[in-house]
Amino acid sequence: ETGVTQTPRHLVMGMTNKKSLKCEQHLGHNAMYWYKQSAKKPLELMFVYSLEERVENNSVPSRFSPECPNSSHLFLHLHTLQPEDSALYLCASSQGAYQGGNQPQHFGDGTRLSIL
Amino acid sequence: ILNVEQSPQSLHVQEGDSTNFTCSFPSSNFYALHWYRWETAKSPEALFVMTLNGDEKKKGRISATLNTKEGYSYLYIKGSQPEDSATYLCAFLMDSNYQLIWGAGTKLIIKP
Repeated sequence: ETGVTQTPRHLVMGMTNKKSLKCEQHLGHNAMYWYKQSAKKPLELMFVYSLEERVENNSVPSRFSPECPNSSHLFLHLHTLQPEDSALYLCASSQGAYQGGNQPQHFGDGTRLSIL
Repeated sequence: ILNVEQSPQSLHVQEGDSTNFTCSFPSSNFYALHWYRWETAKSPEALFVMTLNGDEKKKGRISATLNTKEGYSYLYIKGSQPEDSATYLCAFLMDSNYQLIWGAGTKLIIKP
């Protein structure tokens, strides 16, 4: 148990569907992250929230829309996704307002997303 | 473009043997270097966060060293056990940038 919970664990959706990924952290951290992990590629940072404010958006297509209603919850809203968006989506949190440099990130188990 | 390189890409080691692998990163504007272990079907788990040149950290049979001047870190595993089988990831942080730059990982398989 890492203290970071992601739901659902698996998601299959069509290209026209709308779905949301959820992440919850019970560690009292104030920074949260969405990563994308495609096969045989390094982790790609998508979004960073610090103190509920988005501080990083790495040129992610608008079909991915993050939401951070409070420091414990993070959502990734998905709409009109493409087959190349099939990947593992990981949520992480850390102590400190930003990446914190010397603070490790704590990850959830991820959502395996498949786009039909 | 900032790159973090990990080598080798994969590694098969006999149980009981010791092993090591490398993370290479840009040597300028260093802030921190992270190591994570990622077991199949689980979440990545932080092993070490290293910030000082010459730093050496240890956690059980696993240790890591850091050379920020030449831009590399080594991860050592002593007396490998089957439970050490995992992908080991390193990530580099430049200045106090928000973004960790991740390597693609070294996949370690321990043969019984």
